[in-house]
Amino acid sequence: GAVVSQHPSWVICKSGTSVKIECRSLDFQATTMFWYRQFPKQSLMLMATSNEGSKATYEQGVEKDKFLINHASLTLSTLTVTSAHPEDSSFYICSAPGIAGVNEQFFGPGTRLTVL
Amino acid sequence: AQSVTQLGSHVSVSEGALVLLRCNYSSSVPPYLFWYVQYPNQGLQLLLKYTSAATLVKGINGFEAEFKKSETSFHLTKPSAHMSDAAEYFCAVLRGGGTSYGKLTFGQGTILTVHP
Repeated sequence: GAVVSQHPSWVICKSGTSVKIECRSLDFQATTMFWYRQFPKQSLMLMATSNEGSKATYEQGVEKDKFLINHASLTLSTLTVTSAHPEDSSFYICSAPGIAGVNEQFFGPGTRLTVL
Repeated sequence: AQSVTQLGSHVSVSEGALVLLRCNYSSSVPPYLFWYVQYPNQGLQLLLKYTSAATLVKGINGFEAEFKKSETSFHLTKPSAHMSDAAEYFCAVLRGGGTSYGKLTFGQGTILTVHP
């Protein structure tokens, strides 16, 4: 099956700094990728849709200036958490539809962000 | 709008016993439904999906689920639990088309514990 990778797998940063998380589709192209956030002991909540060649679209309540998304190529989307604060500490997971379309999405292994 | 509700945040079974994880959906259109499994600090793995074909869907690792429109349910079962099944399970529904294309809405998750 298709593989989606994320880097880094975990990151610790100081409050006020910015952190970039990468999501890559390793063996397929993804014009669309999705970013989810999962707080401890909670479900996944969709943050935004990353679109190659165009602006990302954000879910209601998600600050687009805080969570910058760049879909630089057909295999790479990046999420930058700007001016991170402790409340941004979470597990960030990306997904990408495979060649069968959105009916089969492949998830990355996730990135654990801890903001001190 | 599509949504899913998982009944029971924790389910505990003995090894070899039946596993039953409950999911009910709400959708104004025929839904596409999914079950995912998540191991600690990892991404999501697709167990199975319902995309309006056969109502009884067989997935990986011996899991299966039955789509029951009359009950708006999509419960996940496995005849005999194995220790390696211990994980968190998420039911999800694919949102509709248009700007919601490809977006998944997840249930709250059910943690499955398997006792020796």
